Parts: sequence; C-alpha cells; structure tokens
Amino acid sequence: DAGVTQSPTHLIKTRGQHVTLRCSPISGHKSVSWYQQVLGQGPQFIFQYYEKEERGRGNFPDRFSARQFPNYSSELNVNALLLGDSALYLCASSFSTSSSYNEQFFGPGTRLTVL
Amino acid sequence: AQSVSQHNHHVILSEAASLELGCNYSYGGTVNLFWYVQYPGQHLQLLLKYFSGDPLVKGIKGFEAEFIKSKFSFNLRKPSVQWSDTAEYFCAVNAGTYKYIFGTGTRLKVLA
Repeated sequence: DAGVTQSPTHLIKTRGQHVTLRCSPISGHKSVSWYQQVLGQGPQFIFQYYEKEERGRGNFPDRFSARQFPNYSSELNVNALLLGDSALYLCASSFSTSSSYNEQFFGPGTRLTVL
Repeated sequence: AQSVSQHNHHVILSEAASLELGCNYSYGGTVNLFWYVQYPGQHLQLLLKYFSGDPLVKGIKGFEAEFIKSKFSFNLRKPSVQWSDTAEYFCAVNAGTYKYIFGTGTRLKVLA
C-alpha cells in the first residue's frame, strides 16, 4: 500500500504570492492533519480535517486555510506569503481523529521556500 | 498548555555506545506518547508508541522507551547504536485530542 503522498516536493515562491499544497492520505484513512516544520524545530500543528470538516486548528494566522475533499485528500492554502513561511509542510493521515489508539502516518513533506 | 521538552539538542556517540534521549511533557491527564525518527532525506517514521499498559515499550530497530508517569517522562533508549542510527529524533505527545505536540528534536550523529 502507498503511504501518504504529497505534492509538489519542492516549491519556490516570492513574498505576497499564494501557494497550494496537496496531500493524499493512506487508503482507508479519513483524517488528515497538516504541520509546519521550520528548520531546527519540531513539527507545529496547523489543521486537522476529518470527514471534510475542520476538527482542529493550531495557532496560525488566517492566511492559512485548508480543505478536505470527498476522497479524503486535502489541500493546504497559504495566502500573502511571508519569508517566515519558508518551511517543510507535512501532511499526516490517520484512520480517525481523537480515539485513544489513533496513530498518525506522515508524508515526505513539501519544502516551501519564500524569496 | 501542553508542551514537550527534549533537552539534548545534539548528541554525538561512537558506534556500540548506549543511547538515552530525554523527553519530558507537561500535561496532567492521560497521554499517548510517541518517538519519531527522521533519517537524512527521509520522512518522519514512527519508532515506537505508548498508549497504555506496560510502561516499557519496545519499538523497531532495537529502540525502547520507558514511560514514567510520576516524572512526566518518556525517554528513548538503545543499548548499542549503529552508524545507521544517525538521524533526528522527535518525541511527541497526544492528549486524546486532534493534534500531536512535538519536541524540538535531537540530532544524533553516530561515528563509525
């Protein structure tokens, strides 16, 4: 079975632009979470979606948005890019959301560079 | 607010040395605990996890971790490291909610 896939692998944008990152979860997983990993730090939670609804949001500005599609794939959108948005964006999928035995599986990430 | 602390930011060991990486969390309730590894150029992979039961958890590649509730700790151990264990290690906590809280990571370099 394929793991979590993300596209694109790398992306270079300039300040003020908009970016869309995509994620396909493991087959059968209904929940997708997004994390931002800045160089030298651990992943920081951005969003979680389950059954196409937002279930949680981290401490990120409204420039960050996401959605989940009927096939459970997801998009992360970032508007008005800032230099500080340069990071590795990770997608993780899980079968459900907050059950005690839930486990998240991570994709390879999208490396975003903002110039 | 929940937080995770990894006190060792960089660790350098020789092959066959023993490893212990510290992880402390702040949350008073029931938690699920994880150690992830990120090898150079690869994505985050789960090493081991604790949900309940035996506080000594064994994971892949000879790693183990011990949950000590009274110390809010979940330290990672390996009796004898190999060069291929060179990677970044992340401790993560999930308190039954929708998100994982990660520590800042520990970069391990094993010298051949």
